[in-house]
Amino acid sequence: EPEVTQTPSHQVTQMGQEVILRCVPISNHLYFYWYRQILGQKVEFLVSFYNNEISEKSEIFDDQFSVERPDGSNFTLKIRSTKLEDSAMYFCAGSGVEGETQYFGPGTRLLVL
Amino acid sequence: SQQGEEDPQALSIQEGENATMNCSYKTSINNLQWYRQNSGRGLVHLILIRSNEREKHSGRLRVTLDTSKKSSSLLITASRAADTASYFCATDAKRGGADGLTFGKGTHLIIQP
Repeated sequence: EPEVTQTPSHQVTQMGQEVILRCVPISNHLYFYWYRQILGQKVEFLVSFYNNEISEKSEIFDDQFSVERPDGSNFTLKIRSTKLEDSAMYFCAGSGVEGETQYFGPGTRLLVL
Repeated sequence: SQQGEEDPQALSIQEGENATMNCSYKTSINNLQWYRQNSGRGLVHLILIRSNEREKHSGRLRVTLDTSKKSSSLLITASRAADTASYFCATDAKRGGADGLTFGKGTHLIIQP
């Protein structure tokens, strides 16, 4: 059964550094999403992406964040200058049809020191 | 309560018993999805129920949706130790486009052997 994959599984970075989190969605999916979950808190929506452009973004997704689908398979989230409060688990998700089931990857645990 | 709030926050039952978790939300929705998360791991999709559906079954899972009360319930029958996890409801609001899901804080379910 196809799965969403994410790399790396864990990343430790220094405050102010740039990080790129990578995701390979299920191949026939068209809608892509990034979420985050701060330890002990609920999962929060960051951004959705369709047809090579951002469809919707939350208040969390400020100018420090960007997303890209550089080729036909990868979907990336970049944080330009990390802050301590960016420490969280970041999940990529995808769906084949708008408004249908979103399938999540295993997450990348980001720790900003 | 906020969008996608589950109750109880924590539930501990004996193996073999049924577990019921509830979710309330505030806005109109396209669908409501339930996910499971084992400690520190990814989100596993369990079931999706559309706004025009009232009940749905999948194996030992039964989900109900009452749009007039803006609430949903997840019933796990004949619980097993492996069901120990956090369970989240997530709503897909009627905004159009690639909507991000709004998650609740989750119910932490412990199945005692």
